[in-house]
Amino acid sequence: QVQLVQSGAEVKKPGASVKVSCKASGYTFTSYAMHWVRQAPGQRLEWMGWINAGNGNTKYSQKFQGRVTITRDTSASTAYMELSSLRSEDTAVYYCARAPPIVVVPADRSWFDPWGQGTLVTVSS
Amino acid sequence: EIVLTQSPGTLSLSPGERATLSCRASQSVSSSYLAWYQQKPGQAPRLLIYGASSRATGIPDRFSGSGSGTDFTLTISRLEPEDFAVYYCQQYGSSPSFGQGTKVEIK
Repeated sequence: QVQLVQSGAEVKKPGASVKVSCKASGYTFTSYAMHWVRQAPGQRLEWMGWINAGNGNTKYSQKFQGRVTITRDTSASTAYMELSSLRSEDTAVYYCARAPPIVVVPADRSWFDPWGQGTLVTVSS
Repeated sequence: EIVLTQSPGTLSLSPGERATLSCRASQSVSSSYLAWYQQKPGQAPRLLIYGASSRATGIPDRFSGSGSGTDFTLTISRLEPEDFAVYYCQQYGSSPSFGQGTKVEIK
C-alpha cells in the first residue's frame, strides 16, 4: 500500500537548519508531486510548498520563500524539506503529503492523500 | 491568500447524532477546490472529501460534503465513536490554506 515514512524528531538551535526526509513506497514516485505542510502547537495547518517528483520543479509559499528548499532523490523515492534560519516559531510537526497523479491534477490544484506520520522539529536554545 | 473560517469551534454531540460543520472562505473558491480532513490526537490528517463533495477512497458514506463559492459544509449523518476528532477544511484553488479546525467531542 501507499506509505510515506518520515525521518525522526529533531532538536535545533535558533539560526540552524533542519532537513526532514519523506520516503515513499507503494507507488511510482515520479508520477506524483509531494507537498509539505506544518502544524505548530495550537495553530492551523500551514502549507509550505511542493515538488514535482518527476521533473523536480518546485513552488513555495511566499511565507517561506528564501528559507525553504524542497528536493527529491528519485533513486531513493525520497523527498526532502530543508528549512533554514530556524527560530522558535518554527517549532512544529512537519508533514509530507502526496498529491494526486500529476497527469490527472496539477500539483498546485491538489488535495493531499496520504500524509506521512509527521516529524517534530523543536527549535530551542 | 484565501482565509478559511470554520464553525463552530467545538461541537458536543452524542454517538448516533448528526454533525454539521461549516467552512467559510474569504473569497470564492474556484471550481469547488475544497477538501476536508479528519485528525485524531498524535496522528496525521486523513483525507475525507475532495472537490467539495467527492468521498476519498475507503471513507464511509455517513460522511458527505456540499457547498460552493464561499460556503461549504461537512455532514456526518450518524456519529460513530471513531468519528470524534478534529476536522479541517482546505482550499486548493489558489495557494493552499486550511481552516482553524472544528473539534467534535463526545457530549
